[in-house]
Amino acid sequence: EAQVTQNPRYLITVTGKKLTVTCSQNMNHEYMSWYRQDPGLGLRQIYYSMNVEVTDKGDVPEGYKVSRKEKRNFPLILESPSPNQTSLYFCASSFHLSNEQFFGPGTRLTVL
Amino acid sequence: GENVEQHPSTLSVQEGDSAVIKCTYSDSASNYFPWYKQELGKRPQLIIDIRSNVGEKKDQRIAVTLNKTAKHFSLHITETQPEDSAVYFCAAPYNKFYFGSGTKLNVKP
Repeated sequence: EAQVTQNPRYLITVTGKKLTVTCSQNMNHEYMSWYRQDPGLGLRQIYYSMNVEVTDKGDVPEGYKVSRKEKRNFPLILESPSPNQTSLYFCASSFHLSNEQFFGPGTRLTVL
Repeated sequence: GENVEQHPSTLSVQEGDSAVIKCTYSDSASNYFPWYKQELGKRPQLIIDIRSNVGEKKDQRIAVTLNKTAKHFSLHITETQPEDSAVYFCAAPYNKFYFGSGTKLNVKP
């Protein structure tokens, strides 16, 4: 089944404790991205990747890191999470920028 | 960079009425304009898209129109049903994926 998976789906953590949210797609997509969704603020892009080893900042990259060592995986790393990073996070992938984006199920993160 | 503005932010209609959501964009180089629907507690999903070589596209009760000269595109939903209640996002990808701020549509039975 073609899909985008994210793990974990829910996470409660404390300030400063490094965490990684994994994202994987099995559709051989080149383009992958991370979004955060906060009430009233819509979908804001954090980072995106056009292909393996090619990543770039979105609109709200501060406090996040990403890597794209393999085509299928695009993990989101929070080196030192803070409460303002409490949000719903979506990973998405598509063949190219001008194609349908497939979203993962979302990760709800709470930073205390 | 691209700037995508979406209006209205909320829209309430009676079941059976039509709903229209509008988006404007700033970068004339954009050539792909998708619309996503996000139901409560779920992920966004593509419902319809249009490319710049087409002025209108329909899929059953939904349609999208594009005016490249004026740099705006609209989502039209006819004969609305309660299951159309959701948040709708437009987008104008160019270098990055720029989403509009979303429209919460409420269809009253």
